Amino acid sequence: DVKVTQSSRYLVKRTGEKVFLECVQDMDHENMFWYRQDPGLGLRLIYFSYDVKMKEKGDIPEGYSVSREKKERFSLILESASTNQTSMYLCASTTPGGVQSDGYTFGSGTRLTVV
Amino acid sequence: KQEVTQIPAALSVPEGENLVLNCSFTDSAIYNLQWFRQDPGKGLTSLLLIQSSQREQTSGRLNASLDKSSGRSTLYIAASQPGDSATYLCAVRPVSNYQLIWGAGTKLIIKP
Repeated sequence: DVKVTQSSRYLVKRTGEKVFLECVQDMDHENMFWYRQDPGLGLRLIYFSYDVKMKEKGDIPEGYSVSREKKERFSLILESASTNQTSMYLCASTTPGGVQSDGYTFGSGTRLTVV
Repeated sequence: KQEVTQIPAALSVPEGENLVLNCSFTDSAIYNLQWFRQDPGKGLTSLLLIQSSQREQTSGRLNASLDKSSGRSTLYIAASQPGDSATYLCAVRPVSNYQLIWGAGTKLIIKP
Protein backbone atom coordinates (compact mmCIF):
# COMPACT_ATOMS: atom_id res chain seq x y z
CA ASP A 1 0.00 0.00 0.00
CA VAL A 2 3.09 2.23 0.06
CA LYS A 3 2.61 5.08 -2.41
CA VAL A 4 5.63 7.38 -1.91
CA THR A 5 8.88 5.60 -1.17
CA GLN A 6 12.08 7.26 -0.03
CA SER A 7 15.06 5.04 -0.60
CA SER A 8 16.76 5.51 2.76
CA ARG A 9 15.37 5.97 6.25
CA TYR A 10 18.68 7.04 7.77
CA LEU A 11 21.87 8.30 6.13
CA VAL A 12 25.20 9.41 7.54
CA LYS A 13 27.51 11.22 5.14
CA ARG A 14 30.77 13.11 5.41
CA THR A 15 31.23 16.79 4.72
CA GLY A 16 31.94 17.40 1.05
CA GLU A 17 30.35 14.19 -0.21
CA LYS A 18 27.80 14.24 -3.02
CA VAL A 19 24.54 12.84 -1.67
CA PHE A 20 21.57 11.48 -3.58
CA LEU A 21 18.13 11.15 -1.99
CA GLU A 22 15.67 9.18 -4.06
CA CYS A 23 11.89 9.35 -4.08
CA VAL A 24 9.50 7.17 -6.08
CA GLN A 25 5.70 7.44 -6.26
CA ASP A 26 3.28 4.97 -7.80
CA MET A 27 0.20 7.20 -8.08
CA ASP A 28 1.01 8.73 -11.49
CA HIS A 29 1.19 12.18 -9.89
CA GLU A 30 2.51 15.06 -11.96
CA ASN A 31 3.74 17.16 -9.04
CA MET A 32 6.54 16.15 -6.74
CA PHE A 33 8.21 18.06 -3.92
CA TRP A 34 11.22 17.96 -1.65
CA TYR A 35 10.98 19.50 1.81
CA ARG A 36 13.29 19.67 4.77
CA GLN A 37 12.04 19.82 8.32
CA ASP A 38 13.98 21.24 11.23
CA PRO A 39 12.90 21.81 14.83
CA GLY A 40 11.29 25.21 15.25
CA LEU A 41 11.37 25.95 11.51
CA GLY A 42 8.63 23.67 10.25
CA LEU A 43 8.55 22.35 6.71
CA ARG A 44 10.45 24.32 4.11
CA LEU A 45 10.19 23.66 0.40
CA ILE A 46 13.49 23.00 -1.37
CA TYR A 47 12.41 22.17 -4.93
CA PHE A 48 9.27 21.33 -6.81
CA SER A 49 8.64 19.57 -10.13
CA TYR A 50 5.39 19.75 -12.07
CA ASP A 51 6.45 17.52 -14.98
CA VAL A 52 9.26 15.34 -16.22
CA LYS A 53 12.47 17.36 -16.63
CA MET A 54 10.76 20.45 -15.15
CA LYS A 55 11.80 21.96 -11.84
CA GLU A 56 11.13 25.05 -9.80
CA LYS A 57 13.05 26.44 -6.85
CA GLY A 58 11.31 26.54 -3.55
CA ASP A 59 12.18 28.65 -0.54
CA ILE A 60 15.62 27.21 0.23
CA PRO A 61 17.24 25.76 -2.93
CA GLU A 62 20.80 26.81 -2.14
CA GLY A 63 23.16 23.85 -1.94
CA TYR A 64 20.69 21.49 -3.58
CA SER A 65 19.74 20.37 -7.06
CA VAL A 66 17.11 17.95 -8.35
CA SER A 67 16.52 15.56 -11.19
CA ARG A 68 13.28 14.27 -12.68
CA GLU A 69 13.99 12.01 -15.62
CA LYS A 70 10.88 9.87 -15.16
CA LYS A 71 7.44 10.82 -13.92
CA GLU A 72 7.57 8.53 -10.92
CA ARG A 73 11.03 9.46 -9.66
CA PHE A 74 12.30 12.71 -8.15
CA SER A 75 15.84 12.89 -6.85
CA LEU A 76 17.37 15.45 -4.51
CA ILE A 77 21.10 16.01 -4.81
CA LEU A 78 23.37 17.63 -2.28
CA GLU A 79 26.31 18.64 -4.42
CA SER A 80 28.75 18.98 -1.52
CA ALA A 81 27.18 18.06 1.79
CA SER A 82 27.67 20.38 4.72
CA THR A 83 26.82 20.01 8.39
CA ASN A 84 24.02 22.60 8.11
CA GLN A 85 22.24 20.21 5.77
CA THR A 86 21.74 17.75 8.59
CA SER A 87 17.96 17.45 8.66
CA MET A 88 14.86 15.36 8.00
CA TYR A 89 14.08 15.31 4.27
CA LEU A 90 10.54 14.62 3.12
CA CYS A 91 9.31 13.88 -0.38
CA ALA A 92 5.69 14.38 -1.45
CA SER A 93 3.55 14.07 -4.54
CA THR A 94 0.15 15.26 -5.72
CA THR A 95 -1.93 16.07 -8.79
CA PRO A 96 -2.02 19.58 -10.30
CA GLY A 97 -4.23 22.12 -8.55
CA GLY A 98 -7.93 22.03 -9.27
CA VAL A 99 -11.34 21.70 -7.70
CA GLN A 100 -10.89 17.99 -7.07
CA SER A 101 -7.14 17.83 -6.78
CA ASP A 102 -5.61 15.07 -4.71
CA GLY A 103 -4.13 15.77 -1.36
CA TYR A 104 -0.42 15.53 -0.78
CA THR A 105 1.06 12.11 -0.05
CA PHE A 106 4.34 12.08 1.85
CA GLY A 107 7.08 9.53 2.11
CA SER A 108 8.34 8.30 5.45
CA GLY A 109 11.30 10.67 5.40
CA THR A 110 15.08 10.40 5.30
CA ARG A 111 17.02 11.55 8.32
CA LEU A 112 20.36 12.77 7.00
CA THR A 113 23.30 13.43 9.27
CA VAL A 114 26.37 15.13 7.82
CA VAL A 115 29.50 14.72 9.92
CA LYS B 1 -0.47 36.50 1.58
CA GLN B 2 -2.00 33.29 2.92
CA GLU B 3 -1.25 32.53 6.55
CA VAL B 4 -2.31 29.49 8.53
CA THR B 5 -2.58 29.46 12.31
CA GLN B 6 -3.14 26.51 14.60
CA ILE B 7 -4.44 26.81 18.12
CA PRO B 8 -3.49 25.53 20.62
CA ALA B 9 0.22 24.93 20.08
CA ALA B 10 0.12 22.11 22.61
CA LEU B 11 -2.60 20.17 24.37
CA SER B 12 -2.48 17.52 27.08
CA VAL B 13 -5.67 15.69 28.03
CA PRO B 14 -6.65 12.47 29.80
CA GLU B 15 -7.53 9.44 27.78
CA GLY B 16 -11.16 9.19 26.71
CA GLU B 17 -11.85 12.88 26.23
CA ASN B 18 -13.24 14.34 23.04
CA LEU B 19 -11.13 17.19 21.76
CA VAL B 20 -10.99 19.84 19.07
CA LEU B 21 -7.97 21.21 17.25
CA ASN B 22 -8.31 24.49 15.41
CA CYS B 23 -6.87 25.78 12.17
CA SER B 24 -7.52 29.21 10.66
CA PHE B 25 -6.43 30.69 7.35
CA THR B 26 -6.55 34.21 5.98
CA ASP B 27 -7.43 33.73 2.30
CA SER B 28 -10.50 31.71 1.30
CA ALA B 29 -9.21 31.09 -2.25
CA ILE B 30 -8.13 27.51 -1.66
CA TYR B 31 -8.49 24.20 -3.49
CA ASN B 32 -8.52 22.15 -0.34
CA LEU B 33 -7.36 21.80 3.24
CA GLN B 34 -5.55 18.78 4.57
CA TRP B 35 -4.91 17.51 8.10
CA PHE B 36 -1.77 15.50 8.79
CA ARG B 37 -0.37 13.61 11.71
CA GLN B 38 3.33 13.35 12.48
CA ASP B 39 4.90 11.06 15.06
CA PRO B 40 8.33 12.01 16.43
CA GLY B 41 11.08 11.39 13.88
CA LYS B 42 8.64 10.11 11.28
CA GLY B 43 7.06 11.32 8.06
CA LEU B 44 3.63 12.88 7.63
CA THR B 45 0.49 10.79 7.46
CA SER B 46 -2.54 12.31 5.77
CA LEU B 47 -5.62 12.08 7.97
CA LEU B 48 -8.33 13.95 6.10
CA LEU B 49 -8.61 16.00 2.93
CA ILE B 50 -11.46 18.48 2.55
CA GLN B 51 -12.09 19.98 -0.87
CA SER B 52 -13.14 23.63 -0.95
CA SER B 53 -16.68 22.62 -1.94
CA GLN B 54 -17.07 20.31 1.05
CA ARG B 55 -18.10 21.07 4.63
CA GLU B 56 -16.68 18.06 6.44
CA GLN B 57 -14.94 14.72 6.16
CA THR B 58 -14.94 11.79 8.55
CA SER B 59 -12.59 8.88 9.12
CA GLY B 60 -13.21 6.65 12.10
CA ARG B 61 -12.96 8.74 15.28
CA LEU B 62 -11.81 11.79 13.32
CA ASN B 63 -14.03 14.47 11.86
CA ALA B 64 -12.76 17.57 10.09
CA SER B 65 -14.91 20.54 9.18
CA LEU B 66 -14.28 23.42 6.83
CA ASP B 67 -15.87 26.85 6.85
CA LYS B 68 -14.20 28.56 3.93
CA SER B 69 -16.02 31.86 4.32
CA SER B 70 -14.74 32.34 7.85
CA GLY B 71 -11.35 30.78 7.15
CA ARG B 72 -11.63 28.05 9.75
CA SER B 73 -11.26 24.31 10.04
CA THR B 74 -11.55 22.06 13.08
CA LEU B 75 -10.33 18.55 13.67
CA TYR B 76 -12.50 16.68 16.14
CA ILE B 77 -11.06 13.58 17.81
CA ALA B 78 -13.57 11.42 19.65
CA ALA B 79 -12.72 9.22 22.61
CA SER B 80 -9.02 10.04 22.55
CA GLN B 81 -6.44 7.30 23.12
CA PRO B 82 -2.73 7.40 24.06
CA GLY B 83 -1.95 6.29 20.51
CA ASP B 84 -3.38 9.59 19.27
CA SER B 85 -0.41 11.40 20.80
CA ALA B 86 1.39 13.14 17.95
CA THR B 87 1.76 16.51 16.26
CA TYR B 88 -1.19 17.48 14.09
CA LEU B 89 -0.60 19.80 11.15
CA CYS B 90 -3.08 21.51 8.88
CA ALA B 91 -2.18 22.82 5.45
CA VAL B 92 -4.11 24.69 2.78
CA ARG B 93 -3.58 24.43 -0.94
CA PRO B 94 -4.09 27.95 -2.30
CA VAL B 95 -5.47 28.59 -5.77
CA SER B 96 -2.74 31.11 -6.49
CA ASN B 97 0.32 29.11 -5.49
CA TYR B 98 1.65 25.60 -6.01
CA GLN B 99 2.94 25.44 -2.44
CA LEU B 100 1.03 24.12 0.53
CA ILE B 101 0.80 26.70 3.28
CA TRP B 102 1.40 25.11 6.66
CA GLY B 103 0.28 25.77 10.17
CA ALA B 104 2.86 25.36 12.93
CA GLY B 105 1.08 22.34 14.36
CA THR B 106 -0.57 21.25 17.59
CA LYS B 107 1.39 18.85 19.78
CA LEU B 108 -1.13 16.53 21.38
CA ILE B 109 -0.44 14.35 24.41
CA ILE B 110 -3.07 11.89 25.61
CA LYS B 111 -2.39 10.72 29.16
CA PRO B 112 -3.33 7.13 30.07
